[in-house]
Amino acid sequence: NAGVTQTPKFRILKIGQSMTLQCTQDMNHNYMYWYRQDPGMGLKLIYYSVGAGITDKGEVPNGYNVSRSTTEDFPLRLELAAPSQTSVYFCASVGKSLNTGELFFGEGSRLTVL
Amino acid sequence: KNEVEQSPQNLTAQEGEFITINCSYSVGISALHWLQQHPGGGIVSLFMLSSGKKKHGRLIATINIQEKHSSLHITASHPRDSAVYICAVLNYGGSQGNLIFGKGTKLSVKP
Repeated sequence: NAGVTQTPKFRILKIGQSMTLQCTQDMNHNYMYWYRQDPGMGLKLIYYSVGAGITDKGEVPNGYNVSRSTTEDFPLRLELAAPSQTSVYFCASVGKSLNTGELFFGEGSRLTVL
Repeated sequence: KNEVEQSPQNLTAQEGEFITINCSYSVGISALHWLQQHPGGGIVSLFMLSSGKKKHGRLIATINIQEKHSSLHITASHPRDSAVYICAVLNYGGSQGNLIFGKGTKLSVKP
């Protein structure tokens, strides 16, 4: 099925641990994004990518890293997890060219850092 | 001033009422999305607009490109419509990775 797949859906980390949130889309979308959403708040952009091999920082990139080696995959790496990174993370993708403007979100990954 | 402004921020309605949420933007856009997020839930795109009007069930979305304004209407509102509705504009080549969000409208529909 077409869409954005995020894993894991839930994760508990200890302070200082590292992990990678996976995001995959099968719609050949050029643009991909990682957002975090704190309780009762809006989406904050962490990193984005306009195509394979190209990534750029968003509003809140500190403590995170990304890579975009293929069009399909856009993993988000958390190094040295901190309680401030407790949040829900959403991956999203946007199409261009044949599927201009299509916007899909993953189901979200709820991360707790203790 | 935010590039995408939504109003109202909060809205409480009685079941059956007609609801309107507004979105104004100040940048050039390629498309505008109305998104829905239920409490604790994921985010889905209800509509993608680049001109005119779209209808899906009880939901209607309109956009006026010249006035840089869009509205989302819900007819015969129902408690299951309670959610946050977010206006998002897509501006290829713009800032923030091309996608800019409004702050959202929290809708609560009472039975």
